[in-house]
Amino acid sequence: AQSVTQPDIHITVSEGASLELRCNYSYGATPYLFWYVQSPGQGLQLLLKYFSGDTLVQGIKGFEAEFKRSQSSFNLRKPSVHWSDAAEYFCAVGPYFGNEKLTFGTGTRLTIIP
Amino acid sequence: GAGVSQTPSNKVTEKGKYVELRCDPISGHTALYWYRQSLGQGPEFLIYFQGTGAADDSGLPNDRFFAVRPEGSVSTLKIQRTERGDSAVYLCASSLHLGYTFGSGTRLTVV
Repeated sequence: AQSVTQPDIHITVSEGASLELRCNYSYGATPYLFWYVQSPGQGLQLLLKYFSGDTLVQGIKGFEAEFKRSQSSFNLRKPSVHWSDAAEYFCAVGPYFGNEKLTFGTGTRLTIIP
Repeated sequence: GAGVSQTPSNKVTEKGKYVELRCDPISGHTALYWYRQSLGQGPEFLIYFQGTGAADDSGLPNDRFFAVRPEGSVSTLKIQRTERGDSAVYLCASSLHLGYTFGSGTRLTVV
């Protein structure tokens, strides 16, 4: 069965510092990987997705993620965080052929301090 | 519409009552999904429609939960005999090809 692990429940970083959020997945075939962001009381907004090709994926709001098959990881990075990046971040995995259910991790809550 | 619309945004109901949650997907999106997000958790899959039919309902927790999409557009999630454990945010998403758009969710509180 597919699963996603986000080992960090809560991360605090200073504004302007770099950020890396970890995501490990378990999936029996070629995965389709996502990062979503959720602000309080809001739905999920797609930051980026990996389907195939270049393993370094660029997303919105200056985020990027790197797919490492050998480590079953898809970590999210940002070189310099802004106070507006404070939110909950979810990694998700889905089947290669799409249009089927996603499996989400439990999320990482990001706090930004001045 | 421009996005996925879910109504109501908030619903408080008494234990044992029946509730309906509505999802209006992006026009033309053939796939529609329902997820449930409990406090401090990631969204959990409930059911997936392709057109009018439920292609996968393996995530529905029990027979108190049911969802329909009679015309292949709007979907309604129905919960009978609600229990306090049903309290969560219910998220809907729609998709045409490889990409999901989520609504803002309905926060259901069972008291």
